[in-house]
Amino acid sequence: GQQLNQSPQSMFIQEGEDVSMNCTSSSIFNTWLWYKQDPGEGPVLLIALYKAGELTSNGRLTAQFGITRKDSFLNISASIPSDVGIYFCAGQAIFNAGGTSYGKLTFGQGTILTVHP
Amino acid sequence: EAQVTQNPRYLITVTGKKLTVTCSQNMNHEYMSWYRQDPGLGLRQIYYSMNVEVTDKGDVPEGYKVSRKEKRNFPLILESPSPNQTSLYFCASSTSGGNNEQFFGPGTRLTVL
Repeated sequence: GQQLNQSPQSMFIQEGEDVSMNCTSSSIFNTWLWYKQDPGEGPVLLIALYKAGELTSNGRLTAQFGITRKDSFLNISASIPSDVGIYFCAGQAIFNAGGTSYGKLTFGQGTILTVHP
Repeated sequence: EAQVTQNPRYLITVTGKKLTVTCSQNMNHEYMSWYRQDPGLGLRQIYYSMNVEVTDKGDVPEGYKVSRKEKRNFPLILESPSPNQTSLYFCASSTSGGNNEQFFGPGTRLTVL
């Protein structure tokens, strides 16, 4: 199946610092998504990107859909302790089956973020 | 509250003992999916279901079965669990159609001894 390469694998930063992580793929995607997973919880959607070149912000988060549709980055500005968790990128490809279209997610390996107060 | 629930949340079992992990959603979603999460590998899709009675294999289906007899439920069945199925499992659901957000359950941590 398709594979995504997400980097870095882990980050240890001080509160207040900015964070950047990215994902690259050998395949193109229709949509790029960024999820956050808190300990003991399932992933929760942070940002969705639908168009190549799109730059979207959600509070302190900013993400971009690469022009080639094969990459995306996520920036977190002025990190705070509650930003701790695992961040996943996911590329979504659209498939058609039986007259119905659906999106299949392929996940990156995850970036473990630790924020020191 | 709109949610995806999974049971059990934690399970320790032995090789070969059949088990079922349940998944239920209350959002009337057509699409449901199972993933496993392993360190360094992210989440990988096991099986998915487009609607009732419609299921198909994901990227890592070996050793798993699913059923979709009702819209709200999508159980994951391990007929003969093996240690390599020790993992964190997530169920997710979404409305049908492309570019749709998937909502994840809280996860089931399975250990097979």
